[in-house]
Amino acid sequence: AQSVAQPEDQVNVAEGNPLTVKCTYSVSGNPYLFWYVQYPNRGLQFLLKYITGDNLVKGSYGFEAEFNKSQTSFHLKKPSALVSDSALYFCAVRVESGGSYIPTFGRGTSLIVHP
Amino acid sequence: NAGVTQTPKFQVLKTGQSMTLQCAQDMNHNSMYWYRQDPGMGLRLIYYSASEGTTDKGEVPNGYNVSRLNKREFSLRLESAAPSQTSVYFCASRGMGAGNTIYFGEGSWLTVV
Repeated sequence: AQSVAQPEDQVNVAEGNPLTVKCTYSVSGNPYLFWYVQYPNRGLQFLLKYITGDNLVKGSYGFEAEFNKSQTSFHLKKPSALVSDSALYFCAVRVESGGSYIPTFGRGTSLIVHP
Repeated sequence: NAGVTQTPKFQVLKTGQSMTLQCAQDMNHNSMYWYRQDPGMGLRLIYYSASEGTTDKGEVPNGYNVSRLNKREFSLRLESAAPSQTSVYFCASRGMGAGNTIYFGEGSWLTVV
C-alpha cells in the first residue's frame, strides 16, 4: 500500500519570505515522488519529481523539494515567495516497482502568499 | 501543444440524466486516468486504463463507466447522474515507465441538480 499525507490544509506566508509545504509518504519499496500545482479553475500542473539521485530536486517557477528517506518526507520549498505562487499544491507518491504505477495524491495544501 | 483535452468544460445535469465526458491526449501515452476532485478530499481515482483495450476500477468507480476507445481517447460515462456526482472531473495521461509524469486536462465542472 502507498499513502501520502499533507499535514497542513493551508499555509500562509508573506511575500519575499521562504515557504515550505510539507509532504510525508508511506510506500513498500522505493518511492517516486511528485509535486503538482493547481491554480483556480485549472488542471494540475507538474512542478517537479524525485526518481533517484540527488536528494534536492529543482523544478519549475523556482521551487525545489528535498527527499529525506529517513523521515519519509518530500517537502516543497521556495526561498522567496511571490503572490503569484498562491495556489493549491498536491504531493503524490508512486512505488518504483511491483505496483500498478498509479500515483496516490495527498489532499492538497492551499498556499496563500500575502503582499 | 494540446496535451490532454477534456470536453465539456461545464455541464449541469438533472438527477437521473446520463452524460459522457470526453478525453483525448496527443502525447501517445499508454496510460489514462479519470479523477474527481472534491473539497477537502483531494483527488480520487475513478477508473484508469493502463493500455489500449484495458480498463480497471479505481477508488470510487460506483456510478461510472469508462471506455478506452483507442490509444488517444478515454471517456467517462454517468449512466444515471446523482447529486453526489457533482464534482470537478480530471482526465490525465502518462507515458510508459513508472517515473514518467502524469499530465492533466483542464477539468470538467459537473453539477447534478
